[in-house]
Amino acid sequence: GAVVSQHPSWVICKSGTSVKIECRSLDFQATTMFWYRQFPKQSLMLMATSNEGSKATYEQGVEKDKFLINHASLTLSTLTVTSAHPEDSSFYICSARRAGGEETQYFGPGTRLLVL
Amino acid sequence: AQRVTQPEKLLSVFKGAPVELKCNYSYSGSPELFWYVQYSRQRLQLLLRHISRESIKGFTADLNKGETSFHLKKPFAQEEDSAMYYCALSRGSTLGRLYFGRGTQLTVWP
Repeated sequence: GAVVSQHPSWVICKSGTSVKIECRSLDFQATTMFWYRQFPKQSLMLMATSNEGSKATYEQGVEKDKFLINHASLTLSTLTVTSAHPEDSSFYICSARRAGGEETQYFGPGTRLLVL
Repeated sequence: AQRVTQPEKLLSVFKGAPVELKCNYSYSGSPELFWYVQYSRQRLQLLLRHISRESIKGFTADLNKGETSFHLKKPFAQEEDSAMYYCALSRGSTLGRLYFGRGTQLTVWP
């Protein structure tokens, strides 16, 4: 158990458009999900913490109006990159923690975003 | 603020040799430390965490608060250990937010 999926796995879009990425916990409920960004050959950078039913908590330096996060249910969080620009091109990874406080985070496979 | 440092970007050893992947951290509070592994074309997965004090796939890691280190060790490396290894820190009271080091690519040669 504890599988996390992301959709789409990759997306190419034009500059100025918005892109939505979904993160789902397939076989467990996740009260908390996390969004990371990874540049080529660099580490994962935590962007925000997504809590079911409440506003996301963003890390310092991450624009909340640029990266909209919604966690509408215990199995789904979405990240919307608004008015995407080429510098937003990156690998976006989500993770989920089980409801009940278990510390382990289960990671999704990631979404590759390319903005032309 | 917190920081996780993995000084080696690449590490190569031969099969059967000991391997140590270094991780140092800076954080003024009491952190929780983790090692995550990413095998080729697979997603990131937890390898071990310091509070469990367990050995997974022959790997161990001891938290040294004096040296602020959490090095990952295995006495006899295997080819299937080749992967990207990330050290990560959680600040304990922050609902599990993880801060990662840049990762070390381990290659085990036959």
